[in-house]
Amino acid sequence: SYDLTQPPSVSVSPGQTARITCSGAALPNLHAFWYQQKPGQAPVLVIYKATGRPSGIPERFSGSNSGTTVTLIISGVQAEDEADYYCQSADSNGSWVFGGGTKLTVL
Amino acid sequence: EVQLVETGGGLIQPGESLRLSCAAFGFIVNSNYMNWVRQAPGKGLEWVSVIYSGGSTYYADSVKGRFTISRDNSKNTLYLQMNSLRAEDTAVYYCAAGTGYYPDAFDIWGQGTMVSVSS
Repeated sequence: SYDLTQPPSVSVSPGQTARITCSGAALPNLHAFWYQQKPGQAPVLVIYKATGRPSGIPERFSGSNSGTTVTLIISGVQAEDEADYYCQSADSNGSWVFGGGTKLTVL
Repeated sequence: EVQLVETGGGLIQPGESLRLSCAAFGFIVNSNYMNWVRQAPGKGLEWVSVIYSGGSTYYADSVKGRFTISRDNSKNTLYLQMNSLRAEDTAVYYCAAGTGYYPDAFDIWGQGTMVSVSS
């Protein structure tokens, strides 16, 4: 298995843009996904295949990828976006791996 | 409505066994890939196991040889048999489905069931 590395925390003021990175050696060859988790709730898919946005997810959520790093971008951050965010990817042998998670704080 | 409902969690002593269940509603378990993901108190998400539509199964190294994932097609239910439980297995256990609507993503999650391993 391999590791996905995320910053432990990111802080932004309301209305600013938040960028949360996820780095992994195998990311150029595997799809990446992002999940949002609020306290006491199950995770929710917010980005699939690095850049896709599921139905019902606000347009301010987007994703980008560049080599071994994928980035979750939240434009015009709102107070309700405060949550933990996890990246995820497939491992090479049929299993899956999550990043350590990033706590987004809206100041 | 598409949803997953987990049951079976509880307080259990080290070394004992427990079976978790995850009932699916609105979609077919054996037509999709189904996962167990856990989250220890105050920690991040940890993938535990997957069963693919063809029946292949995979496990995280931390549970390999102790946990077994399975499904009952007639009950449209996913299971996780957990043996030789340890304190470090204490976590909320979520089942999560990849229905294919968003390719390869875990797009449906249950609400989770808490497993506490303590003497």
